[in-house]
Amino acid sequence: GAVVSQHPSRVICKSGTSVKIECRSLDFQATTMFWYRQFPKQSLMLMATSNEGSKATYEQGVEKDKFLINHASLTLSTLTVTSAHPEDSSFYICSARLSTGHNQPQHFGDGTRLSIL
Amino acid sequence: SQQGEEDPQALSIQEGENATMNCSYKTSINNLQWYRQNSGRGLVHLILIRSNEREKHSGRLRVTLDTSKKSSSLLITASRAADTASYFCATAVSGYSTLTFGKGTMLLVSP
Repeated sequence: GAVVSQHPSRVICKSGTSVKIECRSLDFQATTMFWYRQFPKQSLMLMATSNEGSKATYEQGVEKDKFLINHASLTLSTLTVTSAHPEDSSFYICSARLSTGHNQPQHFGDGTRLSIL
Repeated sequence: SQQGEEDPQALSIQEGENATMNCSYKTSINNLQWYRQNSGRGLVHLILIRSNEREKHSGRLRVTLDTSKKSSSLLITASRAADTASYFCATAVSGYSTLTFGKGTMLLVSP
């Protein structure tokens, strides 16, 4: 159980394109989802916390107009990288936590490798 | 900012040997979690240990937590080539908070 599906797994596109990444919890409800960014051989950096039905909470230094997050249902959160540029190239990973929340692990998607040319 | 620091950064062992990874952190925590990441993939949750627990087991995995030293260790016994991955510790300051990940240990298990 607790499967998180992230799509697409890889995106290659031209500079200036907007890219949408989906994160779905397949067999559980997740009131909270998280979006991370990971550079090669480095740790995960939390970008934002996505709450169902409300605005996302962004970490310091993350541009909310650049990285649009929508969490419209208990099983789906989307991250849109608007007008992407080469410096936005990275590995983006989402995770979801069970609605019961307390002392629960996060369940991760398989990540999206974004390459901006 | 990152809270956890894993040690060593990289570890190379032979199949059948034990692998020990350490994690230190700076502030008080509610729980500490260990995750595994295979190359180019997402993270897989291994074990969650709460601040009032000292040791936890899951199969070939053993996690210890010493809150007085603000440190944790992950022991993988009788390692296999399939254990090759990066291992991250992550801390939570409350039961509902976000996670802060350490830099990870890259484990290579050779056949």
